[in-house]
Order: sequence, then structure tokens, then C-alpha cells
Amino acid sequence: DAKTTQPTSMDCAEGRAANLPCNHSTISGNEYVYWYRQIHSQGPQYIIHGLKNNETNEMASLIITEDRKSSTLILPHATLRDTAVYYCIVREDSNYQLIWGAGTKLIIKP
Amino acid sequence: DAGITQSPRHKVTETGTPVTLRCHQTENHRYMYWYRQDPGHGLRLIHYSYGVKDTDKGEVSDGYSVSRSKTEDFLLTLESATSSQTSVYFCAISAGPSSTDTQYFGPGTRLTVL
Repeated sequence: DAKTTQPTSMDCAEGRAANLPCNHSTISGNEYVYWYRQIHSQGPQYIIHGLKNNETNEMASLIITEDRKSSTLILPHATLRDTAVYYCIVREDSNYQLIWGAGTKLIIKP
Repeated sequence: DAGITQSPRHKVTETGTPVTLRCHQTENHRYMYWYRQDPGHGLRLIHYSYGVKDTDKGEVSDGYSVSRSKTEDFLLTLESATSSQTSVYFCAISAGPSSTDTQYFGPGTRLTVL
């Protein structure tokens, strides 16, 4: 079973920051938080991952709380093309396993 | 984008027939994976490979077999397709199993078993 809890759906206005929360209260010390997204009918797309420090790349920022029990994915300036299902996944180091939940359906509105 | 292709992209077949799906990569990655995705759900791992001729079962392996005779190709076979195997199948690749080895996904194959 998935080790994360995410809201089923969220809306965000185009041009605003989209903040997607994820709870992973049972996360272990060697487990990473991964984010993927899936645009309708396409293969999942890797976004970002982190262990305990905040991470940023060209797509998004990942903020992990100090106790590591929750995290937030931030898309700084959402566009219509960011409409997708976003998956938060906890993954053990040196373990290939990705356990997928149902994700959050993010709808960007004009 | 990672160099992953899947073929066919769409297939309709009948119950009881054999079906083979192909995943091809140009990245020379060691690990390859087959997942299935059903409506409203996340992906579930069917089988994976950690090298040529080295494969292992995933969460939902019953009714599926795999083969990897070359680094670049990973085949998924349904020996006798059933309607419950109607799904979208995704292939993924990664350089290794560790958390720094990101899995990258192909475009998917939509399989319908009538």
C-alpha cells in the first residue's frame, strides 16, 4: 500500500503558485520523497525528489518539513499545461520499488 | 526525454490469445520495469529486470512473463490474455536501484482484451 496521503483534487489559477501537499507520517530515515506527474494518457514524468533538505529544479520546488512527516510540491507559476495528476511517493534508498497511490488531480484554470 | 519507446501503442485482442509488448531503450540503463495502470489508480509493478537475462517478479506478476535478451529490449508476454488484463502498460528504466537512480517512463501501451 502507498505510504502517502494526498488530496484527491485541487484547483489553481493560471500564473499563480500551485502548492500540492503530501502526508507521509510513517516515513523512515532512509526513505526519499519522490514526485511524479501524469498528464492525461501519457507516461508519468519525473519532477523532483528529496530526503530532508528542500530541493529546487527547473520544474518545481520541494519543501520537506523538519520532522519529514509531510512535504509540499510547489509549481511557482502554474500554466494550463501543468494540469495533471501529481503523485507523491516514498521510496526507500537502494530499493527500486515505487509504490503509487491515487495522486492529486491538479486543474489549472485560466 | 528519456529514450524509451513502446510497441505497439494500442492493441485490441481476444481472450485466450498470446500478446507480447515491447519496450526499447537507447539509454543503456541496467534496470527496466513493466507496470500496469488501471482507471483511477496509480501504477503497479508487474516484473522488473536488473540485467540481461536477470528478471524478478513484482506486485502483480500472475499471468505475465518477461524476457530480456539484450540490454535495450524488455518484453512483456501475456501467454493467454484475459479481460482482467485490459489496462495501460508502462515501461520504465533506471540506471540502478538506488534513490538517486530516477525511473523514467515510456509513453504506454493501451491493451484491450475482448
